[in-house]
Amino acid sequence: DGGITQSPKYLFRKEGQNVTLSCEQNLNHDAMYWYRQDPGQGLRLIYYSQIVNDFQKGDIAEGYSVSREKKESFPLTVTSAQKNPTAFYLCASSYQGDQPQHFGDGTRLSIL
Amino acid sequence: GIQVEQSPPDLILQEGANSTLRCNFSDSVNNLQWFHQNPWGQLINLFYIPSGTKQNGRLSATTVATERYSLLYISSSQTTDSGVYFCAVVRDSGYALNFGKGTSLLVTP
Repeated sequence: DGGITQSPKYLFRKEGQNVTLSCEQNLNHDAMYWYRQDPGQGLRLIYYSQIVNDFQKGDIAEGYSVSREKKESFPLTVTSAQKNPTAFYLCASSYQGDQPQHFGDGTRLSIL
Repeated sequence: GIQVEQSPPDLILQEGANSTLRCNFSDSVNNLQWFHQNPWGQLINLFYIPSGTKQNGRLSATTVATERYSLLYISSSQTTDSGVYFCAVVRDSGYALNFGKGTSLLVTP
């Protein structure tokens, strides 16, 4: 079954801890994206990658890091520098930027 | 950056009613998508419609790119249509979606 898989669904972070959110796609898409959603708001772009081993910062990249070592995978690390990490995180992929983006089911991150 | 404005912000309908949601954007775009976010947070692709008109069952959408707006029509609404509807665009030469704040729809029995 083709699609985008995000894990875990729920994640709790302790103060000062880094956590990594997983995103895997088997759609053979070149581009992948990470978005953050706060309650009652639309999505905002954190990072995106158009090709393996390359990625660019989005509007709210501070306190986050990514890697793109494989076409299928685009993990997001929420570092301790991100002071307000509680949010819903969504990963997406597409063939290119002007093609439709498809989303995973998201990860809800909370602070302990 | 590109501005995306959706209206109305909130909408309450009785089952069976029709509605029109609007999305205005401030710049030329090469991608426009409509999504439905269900209560579990899943974003469901409704339409990829940078221009023209498309229909899918009770839903249809029209984008007039030259006038920078898109409309989503919901006919004969059902309680399962409840949720938040987002419009999102990619501006020309851009790569990522810019989202509006959404229209929150509640359909009552």
